[in-house]
Amino acid sequence: SQTIHQWPATLVQPVGSPLSLECTVEGTSNPNLYWYRQAAGRGLQLLFYSVGIGQISSEVPQNLSASRPQDRQFILSSKKLLLSDSGFYLCAWRPKEAFFGQGTRLTVV
Amino acid sequence: AQSVAQPEDQVNVAEGNPLTVKCTYSVSGNPYLFWYVQYPNRGLQFLLKYITGDNLVKGSYGFEAEFNKSQTSFHLKKPSALVSDSALYFCAVRPKYSGAGSYQLTFGKGTKLSVIP
Repeated sequence: SQTIHQWPATLVQPVGSPLSLECTVEGTSNPNLYWYRQAAGRGLQLLFYSVGIGQISSEVPQNLSASRPQDRQFILSSKKLLLSDSGFYLCAWRPKEAFFGQGTRLTVV
Repeated sequence: AQSVAQPEDQVNVAEGNPLTVKCTYSVSGNPYLFWYVQYPNRGLQFLLKYITGDNLVKGSYGFEAEFNKSQTSFHLKKPSALVSDSALYFCAVRPKYSGAGSYQLTFGKGTKLSVIP
C-alpha cells in the first residue's frame, strides 16, 4: 500500500535560520508531489508541485524553494526564514485524489 | 481559472441531526470533486470523490455528497451527526481534462463543523 511520510511534526526556528522539510512516499513510483501551506488553520495554498525528479513548478513566489532529488522524495527549503513563513505545511501525493502527510507546524520566532 | 466556494465558515449542528456542508465550484469542462476532513494539527484525510456516474457519492464515516451539475454544487451530507464529526472540512476541485491545468487541485477555504452533544 502507498504511504506518505512527512517530518518533523513541529519545528520552532529563529528568523534568518535555514529550513528543510522532507516528504517521502512509499509504495508507488513517479508520483506527483505537492507542497501546501495552511495559514491560520484554514485554506490551503499550493506552493510547489513536482511531476518528476528535478522538475519543480512554483505557484507562489516567496522565500521558499523545493527540490526533488529522488523519485519519491520532495524537500521544502529556505535559506533564511521570515516571520511570515510560520504556518502548517502539508506534503501531498496525488494520483487523482490527494493523500496528505501529517503536516509540519512551523513557528518562526 | 478554477475556484471553490464554501460559503459557511462554521456550521453548528446538534448530535443526531442531519448535517450539510455546502460547496460550489467553477471549473472548465467536467470536474473531479473531492471532500477532505482535517482534525487539529493533522493532515487532511480524503473522505470521498466524484469522478463520473451516480450523482450521489458515498464515502468514509457515513458521509455522502451530491453532485449537482446545473447548480455547480457538491454539498457534503450525513444523516445523523456525531460529536466525533467535529472538524474542518475542505471541498476541492480539479478539471477532468489531463492537460497542464489538471495539476491544479483547488481547495475551498474550509468549513468548521461543530457537533453539539
